[in-house]
Amino acid sequence: QSALTQPASVSGSPGQSITISCTGTSSDIGTYNYVSWYQQHPGKVPKLMIYEVYNRPSGVSNRFSGSKSGNTASLTISGLQAEDEADYYCSSYTHSSTNTVVFGGGTKLTVL
Amino acid sequence: EMQLVESGGGLVQSGGSLRLSCAASGFTFNSYWMHWVRQVPGKGLVWVSRINKDGSTTNYADSVKGRVTISRDNAKNTMYLQMNSLRAEDTAVYYCTRDEVIGSGSLGHWGQGTLVTVSS
Repeated sequence: QSALTQPASVSGSPGQSITISCTGTSSDIGTYNYVSWYQQHPGKVPKLMIYEVYNRPSGVSNRFSGSKSGNTASLTISGLQAEDEADYYCSSYTHSSTNTVVFGGGTKLTVL
Repeated sequence: EMQLVESGGGLVQSGGSLRLSCAASGFTFNSYWMHWVRQVPGKGLVWVSRINKDGSTTNYADSVKGRVTISRDNAKNTMYLQMNSLRAEDTAVYYCTRDEVIGSGSLGHWGQGTLVTVSS
């Protein structure tokens, strides 16, 4: 069982917006602004899409945005495109136990 | 061009050992925290370990603590993961990653991964 909870799947049509949630606790998302989001296409290496809750690395489309409220972080993808179909993972810094980084279980995004 | 290249994976029997290496190039290696992340094919990402810039601070996931040691040689631009007492559940692709924000887990660059298979 992952430390962060994500929906197993979400879907949307091209052009629409979708939001993927990532729920943690006061030991991770609720305390730290070190939430990241990763995109992984089948057979490919994960790619950082968002870091520190809402920052986009250079080269990442501004259709991707991040936010946080309480113990829940969210990734929003606007103007869905076929190429956005992938698995998405959230992660957070944490002070629980000895782990310092925890991931969510991943969300499969299907573009209809 | 920045690169992270893992090596050292392979097939090992349960209880055995492996040392993974991550050769870094194209950036100032000793300026970054580094992490190992693993992924069972078809499953999710799991954080394994991290090490600070000079190797003086290390952290481990509960699932590997006591069996795994992370280290780095900044003169060789290389990070290592010594894995002992391997179990079937350690079977995964192991990724070497670079942290973009002081060890926080903002993993901006990933290697291609090296597959570790532990047979029981």
